Amino acid sequence: NAGVTQTPKFQVLKTGQSMTLQCAQDMNHEYMSWYRQDPGMGLRLIHYSVGAGITDQGEVPNGYNVSRSTTEDFPLRLLSAAPSQTSVYFCASSYSGQLGYTFGSGTRLTVV
Amino acid sequence: KNEVEQSPQNLTAQEGEFITINCSYSVGISALHWLQQHPGGGIVSLFMLSSGKKKHGRLIATINIQEKHSSLHITASHPRDSAVYICAVTRETSGSRLTFGEGTQLTVNP
Repeated sequence: NAGVTQTPKFQVLKTGQSMTLQCAQDMNHEYMSWYRQDPGMGLRLIHYSVGAGITDQGEVPNGYNVSRSTTEDFPLRLLSAAPSQTSVYFCASSYSGQLGYTFGSGTRLTVV
Repeated sequence: KNEVEQSPQNLTAQEGEFITINCSYSVGISALHWLQQHPGGGIVSLFMLSSGKKKHGRLIATINIQEKHSSLHITASHPRDSAVYICAVTRETSGSRLTFGEGTQLTVNP
């Protein structure tokens, strides 16, 4: 099925560990983005990309890296996990902001 | 002050009631989005508006650009409508980036 695929769905990390959250879309969307969702704070933009080879920071980029080597994939890397990064992470894509967004199913990350 | 404000934060209704969720924003926008998130679930895009009104089944979304205000209405509400409804905007000056409200938790009791 066409859409945005996020993996894993759940992850527990120890402080200091690194990991990569995967996001892939098969809709040829140029725009992809990562958000974190925390209670009482809504969704906040971590990083985004407007096309292959182009990435930029959002509101809360510290502690995260991204790359966009292909149109389809936009992985989010946690360099050295901290308990403050415990959150639910969503990837989203859009052909353009004017045509609506498709969200992945989310990754629930716990850092202990 | 948040750029996108929703009200109410929490809403409880009885099955069959007409429901309204409001969204106000303070920036120039190119589009406004209504999203739905079920408990433990992903986020689904319901509407994208740049003017006027859109309807899909029992859901209606309206926007008043001059007043910088949008409403999401649910007619004949049902317990399966229970979810968090999120308003988000695409700002004129930030391309495709979304700015979100904090969401409205809707509970519809049978």
